[in-house]
Amino acid sequence: AQSVAQPEDQVNVAEGNPLTVKCTYSVSGNPYLFWYVQYPNRGLQFLLKYITGDNLVKGSYGFEAEFNKSQTSFHLKKPSALVSDSALYFCAVRDMNNNAGNMLTFGGGTRLMVKP
Amino acid sequence: GAVVSQHPSRVICKSGTSVKIECRSLDFQATTMFWYRQFPKQSLMLMATSNEGSKATYEQGVEKDKFLINHASLTLSTLTVTSAHPEDSSFYICSARDRRERFFGPGTRLTVL
Repeated sequence: AQSVAQPEDQVNVAEGNPLTVKCTYSVSGNPYLFWYVQYPNRGLQFLLKYITGDNLVKGSYGFEAEFNKSQTSFHLKKPSALVSDSALYFCAVRDMNNNAGNMLTFGGGTRLMVKP
Repeated sequence: GAVVSQHPSRVICKSGTSVKIECRSLDFQATTMFWYRQFPKQSLMLMATSNEGSKATYEQGVEKDKFLINHASLTLSTLTVTSAHPEDSSFYICSARDRRERFFGPGTRLTVL
């Protein structure tokens, strides 16, 4: 079985400061990892993904995430937060080697609050 | 990039009525579509996976007779909430997959009075 943990329900950061939203995962095979953002009353928007290759993945809106296989983590980061980054962020994993290749498992979500 | 639409975006209905939500992939063919449900301040919970031309696969605990899914074509899947009750009030999100990745619709907020 695959699972995703986002240990923080909420992250508060001041505008202009760096932000980190944590994610750890568990899969039996090799992972595809994703970050999505959700604004109020909206569906999910894709931010970035890790499939293979460089462990540091750059995505939309200045976000990046680092795949760390030994720590089974895929933390989302941004060097300088904006108030407009305030939203709900979801980490997700898919097992590349799983027969149920369509299964995308989401973490519980982390609410990011960026204050001016 | 690929676009997935949902209609309606918001619906309010009386208890006991049925509500249909449409999910369309606008510029690609989606052999597989997914339906998620999201409660306030919670993660997305996969309800079912639908494949074009075949019966949907429901997750454990999801009543297939209550949440009817029809994937009639490669660009359209519908979710019908039958005999809706207030506890069915939620945010329903569909997702469609092309050959490479997953795209999500904007969601439908269902409120059952």
